[in-house]
Amino acid sequence: SQTIHQWPATLVQPVGSPLSLECTVEGTSNPNLYWYRQAAGRGLQLLFYSVGIGQISSEVPQNLSASRPQDRQFILSSKKLLLSDSGFYLCAWRASGGSETQYFGPGTRLLVL
Amino acid sequence: SQQGEEDPQALSIQEGENATMNCSYKTSINNLQWYRQNSGRGLVHLILIRSNEREKHSGRLRVTLDTSKKSSSLLITASRAADTASYFCATAFDSWGKLQFGAGTQVVVTP
Repeated sequence: SQTIHQWPATLVQPVGSPLSLECTVEGTSNPNLYWYRQAAGRGLQLLFYSVGIGQISSEVPQNLSASRPQDRQFILSSKKLLLSDSGFYLCAWRASGGSETQYFGPGTRLLVL
Repeated sequence: SQQGEEDPQALSIQEGENATMNCSYKTSINNLQWYRQNSGRGLVHLILIRSNEREKHSGRLRVTLDTSKKSSSLLITASRAADTASYFCATAFDSWGKLQFGAGTQVVVTP
C-alpha cells in the first residue's frame, strides 16, 4: 500500500531564516505531487505541483520554491521566511495515468516569528 | 482564488441526526471531491463524483452533483461524535489534477 510522509511535523522559525520541508511517498512510482498551504480556518491553496523529476509548476507568486530531486521526494523551500509564510503545509500525491483521487500527508505546521 | 464555497460555515448537531452541507463552484469541472479534516491533521479523502454523475453513496455518506447549478451536497446520515471535523469540497478542472478548495464546513456532533 502507498504511504506519504512529511517532516517535520511542527516548525518554529525566525523571520529571515531558510526553510526546507520534505515530503516522500512510498509504494508507488512516478506519482503526481502537490504542495498546498492552509491558513488558519481556511481551505487549501495549491502552491506547486510536479508530474516528474525536475518538473515543477508554480501556481501562485510567492516567497517559496519547490524541487523534486527524486521520483518520490518533493521539497518545499525558502531562502528567507516571511511572517506571512506561517501556515499548515500539506503534501499530496496522485497516481499518474488518469487516477483522480489525491491523498494527503499529515502536514507540517510552520510558525514564523 | 478559491473556487468552491461551502455552506454553512459551521454546523452543530446531535448524534443520530443527519448533517447536510453544500458546495458551490464557478467553472466547469472534471470531478468534485469531498475531504474530511480532523483538527490539526491532514485531509482524508471521502468521496469523488465525476461531472457526468449525479449521485454517489459510500457508507453513511451521500453526495449529489448538479452541474447545471454548479453545486454539490454532502449528506452524513446518523451522525456520530467521531464525525466531528471540518469538511471540504475540492474541484478538479484540468488533466493535471490540480484541486481548488472551498473554505470548509466545521461540523460538531454532540453526544
